[in-house]
Amino acid sequence: AQKVTQAQTEISVVEKEDVTLDCVYETRDTTYYLFWYKQPPSGELVFLIRRNSFDEQNEISGRYSWNFQKSTSSFNFTITASQVVDSAVYFCALSERGGSQGNLIFGKGTKLSVKP
Amino acid sequence: DGGITQSPKYLFRKEGQNVTLSCEQNLNHDAMYWYRQDPGQGLRLIYYSQIVNDFQKGDIAEGYSVSREKKESFPLTVTSAQKNPTAFYLCASSIVLYQETQYFGPGTRLLVL
Repeated sequence: AQKVTQAQTEISVVEKEDVTLDCVYETRDTTYYLFWYKQPPSGELVFLIRRNSFDEQNEISGRYSWNFQKSTSSFNFTITASQVVDSAVYFCALSERGGSQGNLIFGKGTKLSVKP
Repeated sequence: DGGITQSPKYLFRKEGQNVTLSCEQNLNHDAMYWYRQDPGQGLRLIYYSQIVNDFQKGDIAEGYSVSREKKESFPLTVTSAQKNPTAFYLCASSIVLYQETQYFGPGTRLLVL
């Protein structure tokens, strides 16, 4: 079973639309971290946010906002007033305290296309 | 500027050949990682290293080898035993191993001739 599910494979919006990328995770740990990364066409993964399991406050950074809900095991990402430069693949990832490898467990990503 | 560099950007491998991908970081991070990305897929962990002279296998280590002789460097060798090496390879580092933010390099795309 996937530990991190990004059900939306591809999303296409027109510039200035708001868009929400969904992320559902699965873990038995009480202490864990969630991440979002952006992968533009160049390929490099760009870190966007890290959130620990004890902090359910929503976070806003400019046009980006994140909604963390432990009750539904979701950590959704919203881009307000999207721009063409937001076009990329976005990955949600989970790091568990009980994980032996210290690695990130990635979802399969959501490809966002923002049309002018 | 601090960061992670990977070279080359593109690499071509012939049948039966071993090739080495370079990863260097100047962030003074202890932990380093190698991931493989296939089209339409998330990243999968190949190897990771918590500290110099120590490294561990990840989920898909077969056909790969690594070394960690210096804190800054974590090269990955794709051996001839790796039968399907065509992929995008990403190197990452973090301050320490567990639950810290990982920062990624620009990646190396490996193609088989």
